[in-house]
Amino acid sequence: DAKTTQPPSMDCAEGRAANLPCNHSTISGNEYVYWYRQIHSQGPQYIIHGLKNNETNEMASLIITEDRKSSTLILPHATLRDTAVYYCIVGGNAGNMLTFGGGTRLMVKP
Amino acid sequence: GAVVSQHPSWVICKSGTSVKIECRSLDFQATTMFWYRQFPKQSLMLMATSNEGSKATYEQGVEKDKFLINHASLTLSTLTVTSAHPEDSSFYICSASGGQKIQETQYFGPGTRLLVL
Repeated sequence: DAKTTQPPSMDCAEGRAANLPCNHSTISGNEYVYWYRQIHSQGPQYIIHGLKNNETNEMASLIITEDRKSSTLILPHATLRDTAVYYCIVGGNAGNMLTFGGGTRLMVKP
Repeated sequence: GAVVSQHPSWVICKSGTSVKIECRSLDFQATTMFWYRQFPKQSLMLMATSNEGSKATYEQGVEKDKFLINHASLTLSTLTVTSAHPEDSSFYICSASGGQKIQETQYFGPGTRLLVL
């Protein structure tokens, strides 16, 4: 699986959009980009995933660059409960193992 | 989304005893289940992958005789930590995936915190 690079930490003001970047320059053509988050002392929560096209669901939007070498997770209106570690992972499909990196620790501040 | 449960949510045991952790997919059939371990302030580390009805595949450095995994049905996998020692104290998390679509997603359980005294 391709490796990812994320900033170790970010701050965001409550109510503002949180934009979390991820670099995955070695991603291969059949690999998806997955985003999970882990709130303290809980199991990871699935957020969104995509292959080539941008995706949006009730939680977030995923913007993937045309060359697929990077992506951005957007939380449109961050709340205090969005404070968590966000993991960007690339992989063939969910039947394969997910390799977790260090993630980005997002702190939403009032 | 799909729901995965774990039981127990936390357990304290004496050194040398065995502990069994259950992972269940509540509203879907999990063809593949994964077991992860997470130490404080670290990321999740995959321990093993199990497919229903077959033997688990363990990651390098994970002792298969110490961490027994059984995936006997499409909704249940168990992890047994045999002869637990204090260094086995950790947060154990399972995930499950299922279905035929290539875009199937892994869903994680809430985790089990193990403390070995």
